[in-house]
This record gives sequence, C-alpha cells and structure tokens, in this order.
Amino acid sequence: GENVEQHPSTLSVQEGDSAVIKCTYSDSASNYFPWYKQELGKRPQLIIDIRSNVGEKKDQRIAVTLNKTAKHFSLHITETQPEDSAVYFCAASTNAGKSTFGDGTTLTVKP
Amino acid sequence: AAGVIQSPRHLIKEKRETATLKCYPIPRHDTVYWYQQGPGQDPQFLISFYEKMQSDKGSIPDRFSAQQFSDYHSELNMSSLELGDSALYFCASSYALRYREYGYTFGSGTRLTVV
Repeated sequence: GENVEQHPSTLSVQEGDSAVIKCTYSDSASNYFPWYKQELGKRPQLIIDIRSNVGEKKDQRIAVTLNKTAKHFSLHITETQPEDSAVYFCAASTNAGKSTFGDGTTLTVKP
Repeated sequence: AAGVIQSPRHLIKEKRETATLKCYPIPRHDTVYWYQQGPGQDPQFLISFYEKMQSDKGSIPDRFSAQQFSDYHSELNMSSLELGDSALYFCASSYALRYREYGYTFGSGTRLTVV
C-alpha cells in the first residue's frame, strides 16, 4: 500500500521567514496531493492541493511543488505570520479514493 | 504503540438501512474526528468531539449522528442509507492540549458500501 512520509515533524521559524515541509510517497499511482492545516481543537482545513499533471501551484504565500519522478512534494510558506502556526498534513491519493496522510508537521511561527 | 482502531473495516448495507461505525482513539487522546472520503475525492470533515462534547461540525447530513462516550470511543450512526453514502470513513484522534507534541492519528478507515 501507499506510504507517505512527512518531514520535519516540528518546525520553528521567525515571523517573516519561509517554511518548507516535505513529503515523499511510495505508490506511483497516486495522483492527487492535498495539504491540510489544522489549528488547535479544529478540523484540518484543505489549504492547497496539486495534481500529478502539474509541477507547481501557488496561492498567495503558499506554494506546493511536485516531483513525480522522485515521488516527493513540498509545501512552501513565505513571509510566515504567527497565525500560520498550526499542524500541517500532506496526503497522497489515487483515483481509487484511498488517501494516505503524512504524520503531520507542527509549525510554530515566533513573533 | 496502540493506534486508532476503527470497526468494522468493511461494511455492506442496503439502501435505507442503518449503519454504525465505531472508533477507539489512542489511549489518553481526548479528541475524535470523523471524515468521509468518496472515490477519488479528498476527505471531508464530518464532526469532531472534544472531551465527549461536540467541538466542530462539518458537512454531516442530518441522517447522520455521532457521539463520544465516557470511555472516549466514538460512534457514527448513519440512517436511511443512500447509494451516495458509499465511501471510506476515517476516524482520527488527538490529545488536544498537547497536539503540538503528538499531532493526531488517523484510523485505517471503514469502507462502507451501500447497495
């Protein structure tokens, strides 16, 4: 089955710096890669996603890149703000509907 | 280490029947989340419970209800099942006060097929 690894498990940055979270997956059939943000006590929220026919996608301060050959994808957050502090999850999914999540990265943005 | 346990792993029901899905969180986790994932779709948040009280609610149909019991396990009850309810249902648990250390963990899911 699919295996998704996410690194780092914790990340601390100063406000205004950039943050990068990386994930690798094992199943070459995976073709949809969402990222979720979860704040304390709240449900995870989809923040950006990318499909296998696209190499990069950007939405304001958030960008995601995908390298299908290497089977890895990354989340980039620029100009971080304290409200970006949360747990971020990556996931890999196939058309069969099975979705495997990474273990999560706890991002702390220090003012 | 113990993980989030969901039962059953697979469930086949006929239309208009009722289904009950169970979730046993990791010991000492106080928050449970339910997700629904249709074929080729991302997980959709249904509902969450913190310390046995509903803490957040998403796109959960009125035909569905859920609760968290005194032992922290949770059940998702689904009535008047429709073909469109066929999906993979995930449960996840976390220790809310220390999520920064432990994050949260998903169960393996229950695959519900309505025929």
